[in-house]
Amino acid sequence: SAVISQKPSRDICQRGTSLTIQCQVDSQVTMMFWYRQQPGQSLTLIATANQGSEATYESGFVIDKFPISRPNLTFSTLTVSNMSPEDSSIYLCSVEGQGHYEQYFGPGTRLTVT
Amino acid sequence: EDQVTQSPEALRLQEGESSSLNCSYTVSGLRGLFWYRQDPGKGPEFLFTLYSAGEEKEKERLKATLTKKESFLHITAPKPEDSATYLCAVQRKAAGNKLTFGGGTRVLVKP
Repeated sequence: SAVISQKPSRDICQRGTSLTIQCQVDSQVTMMFWYRQQPGQSLTLIATANQGSEATYESGFVIDKFPISRPNLTFSTLTVSNMSPEDSSIYLCSVEGQGHYEQYFGPGTRLTVT
Repeated sequence: EDQVTQSPEALRLQEGESSSLNCSYTVSGLRGLFWYRQDPGKGPEFLFTLYSAGEEKEKERLKATLTKKESFLHITAPKPEDSATYLCAVQRKAAGNKLTFGGGTRVLVKP
């Protein structure tokens, strides 16, 4: 399975500011995924990021709020823009296994918005 | 819309006390059902993929089974290190690679 790292691991931000989260994979992957895990809840897919194309967003998530970059096959960023306390969550990136459908997750970024 | 419901929400077990977790799902055209383990402060760790009814997978003290409506994760003779949140997710054939997760079952195994 791929080794996935995320930066930062946690951050405390003020409302109205933006935070960019980085996801690095140790091997080339076609698709990367960004999920949100709100306090005490399960994971919800934000968007799917393919290299060389616009990210595909799930219902309830928009590009202006969560812009995503995918400059190459091993890296992606998710920006949480104009943050409010409701954005306090754990943000996770994942990649699909080689030749299989399971996804492997990074350690997550714990975001607190005050 | 795909739906995944896990029960119970929380489970307290004594070490060695076997039990089962349930994952009920509603999805049109199931590609796969996935089990993950999540420890506090960490990302989910992949455990199993089940593709068709009747399939079973085992890993150490864990055994996952699948029917057309639900999946079970059996924990046999659990140890304290099995304490974690167990997540179930489904993937629909026509939904690309999207995983839809259930709410999870928090398992605490006491020595």
